[in-house]
Amino acid sequence: KAGVTQTPRYLIKTRGQQVTLSCSPISGHRSVSWYQQTPGQGLQFLFEYFSETQRNKGNFPGRFSGRQFSNSRSEMNVSTLELGDSALYLCASSLRGSGANVLTFGAGSRLTVL
Amino acid sequence: KQEVTQIPAALSVPEGENLVLNCSFTDSAIYNLQWFRQDPGKGLTSLLLIQSSQREQTSGRLNASLDKSSGRSTLYIAASQPGDSATYLCAVSGLTGGGNKLTFGTGTQLKVEL
Repeated sequence: KAGVTQTPRYLIKTRGQQVTLSCSPISGHRSVSWYQQTPGQGLQFLFEYFSETQRNKGNFPGRFSGRQFSNSRSEMNVSTLELGDSALYLCASSLRGSGANVLTFGAGSRLTVL
Repeated sequence: KQEVTQIPAALSVPEGENLVLNCSFTDSAIYNLQWFRQDPGKGLTSLLLIQSSQREQTSGRLNASLDKSSGRSTLYIAASQPGDSATYLCAVSGLTGGGNKLTFGTGTQLKVEL
């Protein structure tokens, strides 16, 4: 079965622009969570959506937002990009929003902010 | 605030050696602990998930143990192979927020040489 699909895989933006990243979970998975990975901070939790509702949110500024659609696909948006937003953005899906969840990660979207 | 530490940060071993990766966490109030591997430029692959009530999990040449009271987990890799070369990450989910909000360690970069 198809894995977690993230698009685009690579993108370059300039400071002040905004970006939207997309994540299509494994079919049947209802939970999607997002993480930011940087060399300095490692992997940090951004937010989690389950059945179109944000369940958890990490410690990121309001420039970072997300949503989930009725088909469980999720998007995250970063507005007013800063150089420090350059990172690998990973999404993960799982069947449920809690319990013994094995998370399946996508390959990531690598964002470079110039 | 949960903090996860992994030691060593990097490890180089000859093929065939058995090895142990260490993970420690500061807050023992966890739901579960997961071990992942990450290949360069790629997403994360889940290796093992240990529920807080469990002591260990095994999958093939991998064995992970959990001592929740002392805040420690180990990943044992038997008979290492060059294909095991990757970064290994441990992550814990706290009791607050459910199972999909993970706090990651900084990883152990493993190189298995021929």
